[in-house]
Amino acid sequence: AQTVTQSQPEMSVQEAETVTLSCTYDTSESDYYLFWYKQPPSRQMILVIRQEAYKQQNATENRFSVNFQKAAKSFSLKISDSQLGDAAMYFCAYRGAQKLVFGQGTRLTINP
Amino acid sequence: EAQVTQNPRYLITVTGKKLTVTCSQNMNHEYMSWYRQDPGLGLRQIYYSMNVEVTDKGDVPEGYKVSRKEKRNFPLILESPSPNQTSLYFCASSLRPPGKTGGRGTQYFGPGTRLTVL
Repeated sequence: AQTVTQSQPEMSVQEAETVTLSCTYDTSESDYYLFWYKQPPSRQMILVIRQEAYKQQNATENRFSVNFQKAAKSFSLKISDSQLGDAAMYFCAYRGAQKLVFGQGTRLTINP
Repeated sequence: EAQVTQNPRYLITVTGKKLTVTCSQNMNHEYMSWYRQDPGLGLRQIYYSMNVEVTDKGDVPEGYKVSRKEKRNFPLILESPSPNQTSLYFCASSLRPPGKTGGRGTQYFGPGTRLTVL
């Protein structure tokens, strides 16, 4: 079975600084997708960024980028120029065949 | 406005009293899914549906039922709720299963339903 692990329950960063959230996963599949979701206090789940495993190029969405290391099964999220609105719970997720498997989440605090 | 709606948003009930949480999407999505979120465990998939009349178990299906009689609706049924089903529940939908290229697999989540079973 696939597993997703986020080893940092909590992280904090100064506003305007850069922070990296870690995620590792375990799978025997070769074709899969990886995601980062943001869950603000409103509790809604917002897709931040997506990476297809067959693509070597790391995905980027404005201030958000990933470092995808397929051999190491690592998928970290880098947030540049952190803003107060980035404060949220962040979930890493994996999808192989059909199920979507989530990590435990990392609570990110932005210090003004 | 494209959205996924869930009702109720908050529910307090007692053990054994059947309940249904509704989920509806207006985007003509084929794939729909239910998750529960618990502290320290992240989100876990309960059931998913690839299309009308096609449903399958996720990772934690015990104690839950679903149905997909229409494309837009995917209700979650708890026949006999127990306190260990106290959780935050999310419904989600996507045009195709999560991860498909071109954004068709992008999942849209509902606002969540906070369920407490006493």
